Amino acid sequence: EDQVTQSPEALRLQEGESSSLNCSYTVSGLRGLFWYRQDPGKGPEFLFTLYSAGEEKEKERLKATLTKKESFLHITAPKPEDSATYLCAVQTSGSRLTFGEGTQLTVNP
Amino acid sequence: KAGVTQTPRYLIKTRGQQVTLSCSPISGHRSVSWYQQTPGQGLQFLFEYFSETQRNKGNFPGRFSGRQFSNSRSEMNVSTLELGDSALYLCASSPDRTVGYTFGSGTRLTVV
Repeated sequence: EDQVTQSPEALRLQEGESSSLNCSYTVSGLRGLFWYRQDPGKGPEFLFTLYSAGEEKEKERLKATLTKKESFLHITAPKPEDSATYLCAVQTSGSRLTFGEGTQLTVNP
Repeated sequence: KAGVTQTPRYLIKTRGQQVTLSCSPISGHRSVSWYQQTPGQGLQFLFEYFSETQRNKGNFPGRFSGRQFSNSRSEMNVSTLELGDSALYLCASSPDRTVGYTFGSGTRLTVV
């Protein structure tokens, strides 16, 4: 059974204080690893897809990396508007996504 | 470009009733997936439709069903509602099942 574990569950940062979120996974045949951002009362917003170990993708202050066992979402110099829940998901067979529980990020001004 | 549209946004139903939720995918997207999100279980996969056929199903009881129409619009139905069915139901669409899925804002279902 595919498993995705995200850590920490919650993270509080000061504006400008860089950090990383972790997503470790156990799957049989990874087809893709996805990062989403979710704001309260809204659906998840797509951020990145990573397909193979060593791959990296960047978008503004966010950078996602992938190894054979885990993925990191690095947040550089975060701003209060980066506050959200960040979700990691893996795609194995078919199109099913298995999600982690998420990391709730709060960035204080 | 319009996103994924889910209707209604909010629903309150009584235990034992049934409910139908609707999802209109992004134009040109042929794959539609449904997820249930609750505080305790997180996001859980319900099922996926592609070209009007159910391609994948999660571990939910038979009370949860769905369908997809020729225009790719999808509906999900929950019969004999239970209190535990209270959740945010999310629909996501993709062009071809291989790229990132775009989610709608969800339907918040409350069963009383």
